[in-house]
Amino acid sequence: DAGVTQSPTHLIKTRGQQVTLRCSPKSGHDTVSWYQQALGQGPQFIFQYYEEEERQRGNFPDRFSGHQFPNYSSELNVNALLLGDSALYLCASSLRGGPIVPEAFFGQGTRLTVV
Amino acid sequence: EDQVTQSPEALRLQEGESSSLNCSYTVSGLRGLFWYRQDPGKGPEFLFTLYSAGEEKEKERLKATLTKKESFLHITAPKPEDSATYLCAVQAGEDSNYQLIWGAGTKLIIKP
Repeated sequence: DAGVTQSPTHLIKTRGQQVTLRCSPKSGHDTVSWYQQALGQGPQFIFQYYEEEERQRGNFPDRFSGHQFPNYSSELNVNALLLGDSALYLCASSLRGGPIVPEAFFGQGTRLTVV
Repeated sequence: EDQVTQSPEALRLQEGESSSLNCSYTVSGLRGLFWYRQDPGKGPEFLFTLYSAGEEKEKERLKATLTKKESFLHITAPKPEDSATYLCAVQAGEDSNYQLIWGAGTKLIIKP
């Protein structure tokens, strides 16, 4: 059973460019969350997708957008890249469950470097 | 503002030397506290969820406890393979809030 897979694993972009990161959730999972993790810091919640809709959004600008497809896979798009966007981007999948966030399974992340 | 603080930032122990990691939180309406382990270059791996003060959970050499203000992750007789960064996260607020707020983590190094 494949876990959460993210692509690409590493990416170098130039300031001002746009980037798309991809995530395939663990088999059977229907909810995808995206996080940004700066070096030496904990993850920061970007947004969560369920039933192809953004269910909740963290404190990130509109340059960060996403999408969830009918097969539950997801994309994170970042426009007008800034140097400060350099980070590890993590995708986590889970089952919708109840009000309590269920156990989340994380991918290995995409290391984005903006130069 | 909801906040999660972990201490110490780093902890070096000899193999077999037990210790504890701390996660203190300031949130409105805690609904769940989570512990994850993260190895270098990998995503976090789920360890425990605690829901209410007084709750305890164990897994191998790890034991997590929860009070109204903080959580401890106790590590008993650790082995080098326990070396990792341990992250704490909380979910709080209304039922419609699915956001986790994370601490910066404690980097644990176990020397053989």
